[in-house]
Amino acid sequence: DTGVSQDPRHKITKRGQNVTFRCDPISEHNRLYWYRQTLGQGPEFLTYFQNEAQLEKSRLLSDRFSAERPKGSFSTLEIQRTEQGDSAMYLCASGRDGYTFGSGTRLTVV
Amino acid sequence: AQSVTQLGSHVSVSEGALVLLRCNYSSSVPPYLFWYVQYPNQGLQLLLKYTSAATLVKGINGFEAEFKKSETSFHLTKPSAHMSDAAEYFCAVTGGYNKLIFGAGTRLAVHP
Repeated sequence: DTGVSQDPRHKITKRGQNVTFRCDPISEHNRLYWYRQTLGQGPEFLTYFQNEAQLEKSRLLSDRFSAERPKGSFSTLEIQRTEQGDSAMYLCASGRDGYTFGSGTRLTVV
Repeated sequence: AQSVTQLGSHVSVSEGALVLLRCNYSSSVPPYLFWYVQYPNQGLQLLLKYTSAATLVKGINGFEAEFKKSETSFHLTKPSAHMSDAAEYFCAVTGGYNKLIFGAGTRLAVHP
């Protein structure tokens, strides 16, 4: 069990640029979640994958956001045309019976 | 719809004192409840979880929580605070597809 890995740990980008984050879940976990956490708040659900199928998307996930999980393994979260309001910690979690969180990707949009 | 309310965004205790962090939930189905801890610039670490077995749940680092259905509460306690307990604590309840719905968090400060 190597844990949930997220890359990069930190990303600074200029407003309007596209960014992509990667999450590598624990290998036998079929469920994968993305959450967003802004300063001083609890994590908010963004989207859920069961294997390669994206089964739920939050209304927080605007058209600029897209997530994929090809082949039911790693997942990517892309944000197009970033805005300052996108600055947050993006957390990935995988699970079978429980949940294991990664360390997150902190995005700063300048 | 499920939701969680954490009472007190900041709690300060002396080292060795009792820690009590409050969590109330709302759920239309029997809930699964969790407490997570987060240290600065890190992800979330599971402290303990309630999944409809024993109502008193023991977790890591000496923490425990009691599920009280009549009060819709799941408060987190630790008999004696340690400096290393200073962190942000989040209560969560499961929603559809077992996603977690988090409270706003409580920042615990421990002073000598």
